[in-house]
Amino acid sequence: EVQLVESGGGLVQPGRSLRLSCAASGFSFGDYVLSWVRQAPGKGLEWVGFIRSKSYGGTTEYAASVKGRFTISRDDSKSIAYLQMNSLKTEDTALYYCTREDILTGYYSDYYHYMDVWGRGTTVTVSS
Amino acid sequence: DIQMTQSPSSLSASVGDRVTITCRASQSISSYLNWYQQKPGKAPKLLIYATSSLQSGVPSRFRGRGSGTDFALTFSSLQPEDFATYYCQQSYSIPYTFGQGTKLEIK
Repeated sequence: EVQLVESGGGLVQPGRSLRLSCAASGFSFGDYVLSWVRQAPGKGLEWVGFIRSKSYGGTTEYAASVKGRFTISRDDSKSIAYLQMNSLKTEDTALYYCTREDILTGYYSDYYHYMDVWGRGTTVTVSS
Repeated sequence: DIQMTQSPSSLSASVGDRVTITCRASQSISSYLNWYQQKPGKAPKLLIYATSSLQSGVPSRFRGRGSGTDFALTFSSLQPEDFATYYCQQSYSIPYTFGQGTKLEIK
C-alpha cells in the first residue's frame, strides 16, 4: 500500500525549532517530488514547499511565508522526508501534510504536477 | 503569485442534484489545474488533475473542464458521500496556490 506517515508535531514556543518527518512506503520514494502542505485551524490549504528527486537535483522550493526559516530535506535510503522549521511563529500553527507529487507528461511534453498521495498530517502548535 | 478564487464559498444542494463549482486564476495557467476533496478530519484527496483527468478510483460523476483562467468541477448527480469541501490548486508556477475552498453541504 502506498502510504505517507507524518510525525514530529507538537507544542512549541515562538522562536523555537521543530523537525517533522514523513515516512514513505509502498513506492519508489527516490523517484518522486515530496511536498509539504499545511492547514491552519479552520482554514484552507497552503503549500509550504517541496523537494525534487535526486534525478532533478534534489533542489527545493518554498512559499514566501516560510522561506529562510523552513528547510526540506530527504533521505532516500530511509524513504523519509523532513521539514526543519526554525524561528517558528504563532501563524505557523497548523496541521502539516506530507504529499507525493506525481507528473503527467502532456502531448507537447509539458509536465502536469499534482499531489496524488497525502499523509494524515501532524499538528504543530506554536504558542507561549 | 497566482491567486485562485473559487465560487461559491459554500453551497447547499440535494442528493441527485447536478452541481458546478468554479475556480478562477488571476492569470492564465493553461490546463495546470487540480481539484481535491476534503472531508472533516481527513486529509485532502486528489480528484482531478490537469483540468480534466480523473484520478484512479474517482467516480465518473465528477467532471473537470476549463483552460486559461476559468475552470469548473461538475457533479452530474450528487451522492451522500460527495458532501465535503473542494479545493482547486494551480501547478503552473511556483508557489503553488490553492483556492479558498468550496464547502458543499446537504440541503
